[in-house]
Amino acid sequence: DGGITQSPKYLFRKEGQNVTLSCEQNLNHDAMYWYRQDPGQGLRLIYYSQIVNDFQKGDIAEGYSVSREKKESFPLTVTSAQKNPTAFYLCASSILRVGVNTEAFFGQGTRLTVV
Amino acid sequence: RKEVEQDPGPFNVPEGATVAFNCTYSNSASQSFFWYRQDCRKEPKLLMSVYSSGNEDGRFTAQLNRASQYISLLIRDSKLSDSATYLCVVNRGGATNKLIFGTGTLLAVQP
Repeated sequence: DGGITQSPKYLFRKEGQNVTLSCEQNLNHDAMYWYRQDPGQGLRLIYYSQIVNDFQKGDIAEGYSVSREKKESFPLTVTSAQKNPTAFYLCASSILRVGVNTEAFFGQGTRLTVV
Repeated sequence: RKEVEQDPGPFNVPEGATVAFNCTYSNSASQSFFWYRQDCRKEPKLLMSVYSSGNEDGRFTAQLNRASQYISLLIRDSKLSDSATYLCVVNRGGATNKLIFGTGTLLAVQP
């Protein structure tokens, strides 16, 4: 079955540690996204990528890094520079077609908690 | 001002009621529009796209008003299973396909 997979589902991090969240899709989508959701708030865009080896900062990129070495994979690293990393992280993908309604499909999310 | 704004609710309605949500967006270049549903502690899932002519899917009707820059979602004959957060989503347009989410409207359907 085609889909988008995030792992792990739950992640605990000690302060000062970097952690990497995995996101893989087999939908052959060009575009991939990382969002962060805090309780009672909407989704905020961290990074997005439209093509392999290229990515753009979203609205809250500070303290995060990404890579896009393969079309299928878009891992997110939460660095120690991110001051408040505890949140629900959602990865999404979509086809990339100008002028056409192209919805995003989401993975099940990773809940990151700093302990 | 946020680029996409929604009333956060909660909307508490009895089963069988009709409920409407509105969403406004500020970027007039926005090209495409969606409603997503998000259950508690789950990922958002597409409910329906919103087309200029309006569109209906069973009990759900979506409308777009480009002149006033708002979209709406109408749910008729509410079911308990409709209880969720409804997210308004706007594609900024251009080649970026960048989706901007509203903060969501919480709907609680009461028995």
